[in-house]
Amino acid sequence: IAGITQAPTSQILAAGRRMTLRCTQDMRHNAMYWYRQDLGLGLRLIHYSNTAGTTGKGEVPDGYSVSRANTDDFPLTLASAVPSQTSVYFCASRDQDRGEEAFFGQGTRLTVV
Amino acid sequence: EDKVVQSPLSLVVHEGDTVTLNCSYEVTNFRSLLWYKQEKKAPTFLFMLTSSGIEKKSGRLSSILDKKELFSILNITATQTGDSAIYLCAVIAGANSKLTFGKGITLSVRP
Repeated sequence: IAGITQAPTSQILAAGRRMTLRCTQDMRHNAMYWYRQDLGLGLRLIHYSNTAGTTGKGEVPDGYSVSRANTDDFPLTLASAVPSQTSVYFCASRDQDRGEEAFFGQGTRLTVV
Repeated sequence: EDKVVQSPLSLVVHEGDTVTLNCSYEVTNFRSLLWYKQEKKAPTFLFMLTSSGIEKKSGRLSSILDKKELFSILNITATQTGDSAIYLCAVIAGANSKLTFGKGITLSVRP
């Protein structure tokens, strides 16, 4: 089934641990995004990538890193998790060249304790 | 820095009412504006608006963009309890085509 997949769906993580959230899409979209969603703050952009091999910082990049080794995968890494990174994380992708809307994964609920 | 502001942040209506949700923006090199509906999990796409004055319509939902005044509205007529959700507005802008969201509007439709 075509679409965008995130893993895990939820995770409880001890503070200080390293964690990678996975995101894979099979639509051959060139642009991919990572957002965090917190109550009252909406969706805030963490990092984005317009094409494989390039990444950019969003509104709230501190404490997060990304890589885009190929078109399909866009993992988000928390090098040393802190409680303020407790959130719901959404990955999205879109075909920038065709000017289409963004498609979202189902989200990862992360709790840092 | 790109800004997308939605209003009101929340509202409660009764079934059958008509609601208007607002989205204004300040961005560099605007490309398009999108509306999403979010219920339990991932946002689902409603409309993409690129040109001013052209209404997009889907059933009881409609939306229009004003590129001169830098805003968009989303109208929902004859609201139903199933319309209860968070409505998100997003703008694609800049050379990097960044996708910036507003904080969302929480709509509650009471029976």
